[in-house]
Amino acid sequence: KQEVTQIPAALSVPEGENLVLNCSFTDSAIYNLQWFRQDPGKGLTSLLLIQSSQREQTSGRLNASLDKSSGRSTLYIAASQPGDSATYLCAVRASGSARQLTFGSGTQLTVLP
Amino acid sequence: KAGVTQTPRYLIKTRGQQVTLSCSPISGHRSVSWYQQTPGQGLQFLFEYFSETQRNKGNFPGRFSGRQFSNSRSEMNVSTLELGDSALYLCASSGLTGGGSAEAFFGQGTRLTVV
Repeated sequence: KQEVTQIPAALSVPEGENLVLNCSFTDSAIYNLQWFRQDPGKGLTSLLLIQSSQREQTSGRLNASLDKSSGRSTLYIAASQPGDSATYLCAVRASGSARQLTFGSGTQLTVLP
Repeated sequence: KAGVTQTPRYLIKTRGQQVTLSCSPISGHRSVSWYQQTPGQGLQFLFEYFSETQRNKGNFPGRFSGRQFSNSRSEMNVSTLELGDSALYLCASSGLTGGGSAEAFFGQGTRLTVV
């Protein structure tokens, strides 16, 4: 059974800092990995999707990497802003017939002005 | 391009009642999945529908059911509501097929409160 862990559970940084969020998963047989952002009481916003054959994806100030063999992914946020404050969720989609997403418990990020 | 639409946004129900939630996926997406989010358990997979067929089901009791229509819209139903069913219910759509990227897009969710 796939298990996804996110560290740290919470993070508070001053505006302008670069930061890294970590995600690890137990089963390397994945179809893809997706990073989401969730604001309080809202749905999930897709940030980056990494296919199993890819090593990284970039979008603006965000960069996500994937190391399937070690079961790890990182989300790098450059020059953080108060508007980046949210919960960041990592989700792994299994390969094979059962392709549901398995989520980590998230990292709650606060960027202080 | 319209996103994933979930209705209603908020619901308050009494224990023992039943409830139906609706999800309209992104146009062209045939896969719709449902997830339950609670503070204690996080996001848990309920079920996935593709072309009107349930493809996968999570570990939830039979009180939780769903269906998908020919236009890919999906509904989920919870019967005999319990206090523990209070949660944010999220729907995701994707173009998941044999060769698709399978990026999941989520709706804003339906907040269900059982009293």
